Amino acid sequence: IAGITQAPTSQILAAGRRMTLRCTQDMRHNAMYWYRQDLGLGLRLIHYSNTAGTTGKGEVPDGYSVSRANTDDFPLTLASAVPSQTSVYFCASSDSAGGADTQYFGPGTRLTVL
Amino acid sequence: GQNIDQPTEMTATEGAIVQINCTYQTSGFNGLFWYQQHAGEAPTFLSYNVLDGLEEKGRFSSFLSRSKGYSYLLLKELQMKDSASYLCAVRENDYKLSFGAGTTVTVRA
Repeated sequence: IAGITQAPTSQILAAGRRMTLRCTQDMRHNAMYWYRQDLGLGLRLIHYSNTAGTTGKGEVPDGYSVSRANTDDFPLTLASAVPSQTSVYFCASSDSAGGADTQYFGPGTRLTVL
Repeated sequence: GQNIDQPTEMTATEGAIVQINCTYQTSGFNGLFWYQQHAGEAPTFLSYNVLDGLEEKGRFSSFLSRSKGYSYLLLKELQMKDSASYLCAVRENDYKLSFGAGTTVTVRA
C-alpha cells in the first residue's frame, strides 16, 4: 500500500441498508477526514479525527458515524442509507491538523443509494 | 462556517494564462489551499498561503490578501493537461478545511 486506499471503489446500495466505507493510510498521519462531494456543492466535511482514539463532527455529520481505533484506519458507516447520501466520498489524511501540512486524498468511493 | 466563492467555469487557450479568483469570509483565518482535481480523480495539493503575497511554484502561482479575504491561482503557459477543476479551501483556527465549489477550467487547442 502506498498513500491512502479506499474500498469499495463504487457501490449501489438499497435504501435502509447499512454500509461501511473503508479508508486506510500507510503514511502514519495523525489526522484523517471524510468528505462527500456533490455537484455544485464542492467537498463537505462529514467527520474528522485529529489523532487515534478521537473523532469530531464536520459540516454534515447526520446519518454517518466514524471510529479511529488505530492510526491507519478510519471507517465511515452509514447506519441506514438514504437516497440523499448518494455521493462521491473521499477520505483524506494529513501529518497534523495545522501548519502547512496538506491533506492527501484517497481515490474516492462512488456510492449510489436507491 | 465559511463563504467561499469562486467562478464556476473558465475557458482558455493552450499557452495562455488564466487567473482563478477566490473570495472568502472567515472568523479565524489559518491558511488557504489550492487543489487540482481531474474528472473522476481525487484532489491533489497545488499550493498553500498563510501570509500575504505571492507563492510561485513552476507554472502555477498563488496570491493571498488576508485583509481583502481574497486569493487567486495563476496558471501560466496552459497545457491541455491543465483542464481540471481547481478547488479553493480555507482553514480556520479549528484546523478544518472548508472548500469552495470549484472552478472548472477547460483548455482549448
